[in-house]
Amino acid sequence: GESVGLHLPTLSVQEGDNSIINCAYSNSASDYFIWYKQESGKGPQFIIDIRSNMDKRQGQRVTVLLNKTVKHLSLQIAATQPGDSAVYFCAENKIGTYKYIFGTGTRLKVLA
Amino acid sequence: EAGVAQSPRYKIIEKRQSVAFWCNPISGHATLYWYQQILGQGPKLLIQFQNNGVVDDSQLPKDRFSAERLKGVDSTLKIQPAKLEDSAVYLCASSPNPRGARFEQYFGPGTRLTVT
Repeated sequence: GESVGLHLPTLSVQEGDNSIINCAYSNSASDYFIWYKQESGKGPQFIIDIRSNMDKRQGQRVTVLLNKTVKHLSLQIAATQPGDSAVYFCAENKIGTYKYIFGTGTRLKVLA
Repeated sequence: EAGVAQSPRYKIIEKRQSVAFWCNPISGHATLYWYQQILGQGPKLLIQFQNNGVVDDSQLPKDRFSAERLKGVDSTLKIQPAKLEDSAVYLCASSPNPRGARFEQYFGPGTRLTVT
């Protein structure tokens, strides 16, 4: 069935290094994707989005890459900081709906 | 602006009891969502409202779950009777009318339900 998933459930990186979180989606009709950050005890927080007509989008310290050929999405965090420790979810939007399907999530641990 | 408010933040009940959660979305947001997030998983949509009408409730276990959004503002989600597998965080989110293909959801802090 249609689903959004992540390759790595836990990612540990040294403070100051770059982090790359990956996501695979299965619905080639999806045309909009969002990365969310969820800290313990809080709801998901929007980080960055990308439309299917784009391959790359940059924000502040974050970059999202979209490879439609292999249906792969990644989130790159530059100079990872302790405050980046959280669970990261990708979510895909299905054409004609205004809802998102969320993946399982990747826990990012930043090591001092 | 004030964010999405939810209450209570925590709830512990025994199985077969009933429970209700409340959500106050961001002022002016037309769309409201309830998600269930089981530990270690991503949020799963339970129901979506557009103003006070239901847009999607295909994943809502209607034999025990119900939700309403009176007057198109606040919303309540009820579980009756609760089962052990209902233990999860229940997230409420709201969004303004979509602008083109861009669409943002704003999440509340969630209600953590434990069913014993």
